[in-house]
Formats: sequence, structure tokens, C-alpha cells
Amino acid sequence: EAGVAQSPRYKIIEKRQSVAFWCNPISGHATLYWYQQILGQGPKLLIQFQNNGVVDDSQLPKDRFSAERLKGVDSTLKIQPAKLEDSAVYLCASSPRGAETQYFGPGTRLLVL
Amino acid sequence: SQELEQSPQSLIVQEGKNLTINCTSSKTLYGLYWYKQKYGEGLIFLMMLQKGGEEKSHEKITAKLDEKKQQSSLHITASQPSHAGIYLCGADMSGSARQLTFGSGTQLTVLP
Repeated sequence: EAGVAQSPRYKIIEKRQSVAFWCNPISGHATLYWYQQILGQGPKLLIQFQNNGVVDDSQLPKDRFSAERLKGVDSTLKIQPAKLEDSAVYLCASSPRGAETQYFGPGTRLLVL
Repeated sequence: SQELEQSPQSLIVQEGKNLTINCTSSKTLYGLYWYKQKYGEGLIFLMMLQKGGEEKSHEKITAKLDEKKQQSSLHITASQPSHAGIYLCGADMSGSARQLTFGSGTQLTVLP
């Protein structure tokens, strides 16, 4: 069974630029999560989708971050414009409906200069 | 997260030694998950605990959840260099079984 796929693996941009990350969850997993992990910290949930609907986006900085999961499968997370403090690893995870265990992708490491 | 405290923050052990990592909360942990992360990579699921007093083992790693469901420990027996990495505990603290709060991780180094 293929795992959670993410791209790109690395991205370097200048502040005020835009960036987008892509995630393809494990086939059949209804729930998709985006996390931000700053160096030395644990992952922090940004947004949670159930199929193509948003379950929780309370910690998403909506003035600059947006996310979508249009067909209930893959998802895109966008930052526009990026700030220096957005430098982090962005992790995508998925879980089957009704199950709690989350399976993580390899992450996208973002550096904002 | 201050809701979930991990200790120690970092640990350096000689190969072959045993070690324990702790994860503590002031709130009830409805589900407790242990993950391992290699630097720059995603999280690898290790074990999940739900019931007070529950204990699970996989190879040389044992995880326990206390009876009060507020503290968990991860014990590695006879550590090997392959055990090196960051160990993270994540917990369902709402009972909704939908979201996890993570600790800040424990960086483990195993010296050959």
C-alpha cells in the first residue's frame, strides 16, 4: 500500500513570495491533516479535512494560508505572502474514516529568506 | 505543546543501554500515540495506547499508559544506533478521536 505522498520535498523562497504544497493521502483515507512543525517543536495542526469538507481550521492563519481538497482526495496548502516565521516542515497526514491513527507523509521543508 | 510535556528533551546513550522517555499531561489522555521521526522526514507510527494500564511492545520498544491515563512512557531495551531519532508523543485530549496534540519531542542519540 502506497503511503502519503508530498511534494515538493524542499522549497526555498524569499519573503512575500507565494508557495504551494501538494499532498496525496493513502487511498481510501477520508480524513486529511496539514501540520506545521517548527524546528525543535512538535507538529501543530493547521487544518483538518473530512472528505472535501473542512472539520477544523481554527489554527490556520487565514490571512496568508489557504488549503483545499476539492475532490476529497489530494490537497493543496498555499502560503501567500510568506513570512520569515513560516520556515518550517509542513506535514500531511491521513487516516481512515472512524480510525484515529494518522499516517504521515515525508513532509515539505520550507525555508523563507 | 504545554498541554503535553515530554522528557527528557534530549538523550544520549551508549549502544546496548536501556532508556525511557516520558510523556505527561494534566488532562486525561483518551488516546496516546508514539511516533518516531528521522531528521527532515515524516513521522513513523509506533504504537497506540487507549486503556489505563495498557502496555504494548514491538521488538525492543515497550510503551505504557498509566492507570490514570495522564502519563505514558516509552522504554527501549538494549538500544541500537537504528533507534536514534526524535520520539514524539501525540494525544487525543478531547475524546473526539479526531485530533492529536503533540509533545515537543525527545531527541535520542545512540553512540556505537
